[in-house]
Amino acid sequence: GIQVEQSPPDLILQEGANSTLRCNFSDSVNNLQWFHQNPWGQLINLFYIPSGTKQNGRLSATTVATERYSLLYISSSQTTDSGVYFCAVVDFNKFYFGSGTKLNVKP
Amino acid sequence: NAGVTQTPKFQVLKTGQSMTLQCAQDMNHNSMYWYRQDPGMGLRLIYYSASEGTTDKGEVPNGYNVSRLNKREFSLRLESAAPSQTSVYFCASRQGGNQPQHFGDGTRLSIL
Repeated sequence: GIQVEQSPPDLILQEGANSTLRCNFSDSVNNLQWFHQNPWGQLINLFYIPSGTKQNGRLSATTVATERYSLLYISSSQTTDSGVYFCAVVDFNKFYFGSGTKLNVKP
Repeated sequence: NAGVTQTPKFQVLKTGQSMTLQCAQDMNHNSMYWYRQDPGMGLRLIYYSASEGTTDKGEVPNGYNVSRLNKREFSLRLESAAPSQTSVYFCASRQGGNQPQHFGDGTRLSIL
């Protein structure tokens, strides 16, 4: 299967700081999805982004499919941003997940 | 609109017992998925159903069976539970093509 690597594995921020999370993948993919897993374990869709850039409020994502990576930007972080961020790549009908970036935003 | 509903939310089993996890979606999606999430790891695909009437193995299918009962429902069965199957199980669905997945809230399963 496709290998997905996320970095950094852990990140601690002060509220208000900005951050960039990275997702590298080993092969060509049909699409890519970013999720936030909140402290209650729920998985929330953030972006479904095969290429280019999308923005939603303080979050934005950029995927460069030809270079096999995607970036998730979080600006002006808030304590509610805490949790684990996963990227998953899509190869036809199969999704392959990275191990996640655990984010802790301190007040 | 409930989205993806998983039952039960929690379950404790003894080694060797059998169990079926239920998943239902009300979004008229074609594809459905079962994943497991172990501590500190991402999700790993167990089985998926690209459309009603079809099922395929994912990364970690051993010890599991699935049934796509109809378009709405996709169940996961553990025939003889083992401690290594202690995990959080997630069901997901999507319309297909270039559409995102939507997840249920998970089932936390412990096998003693």
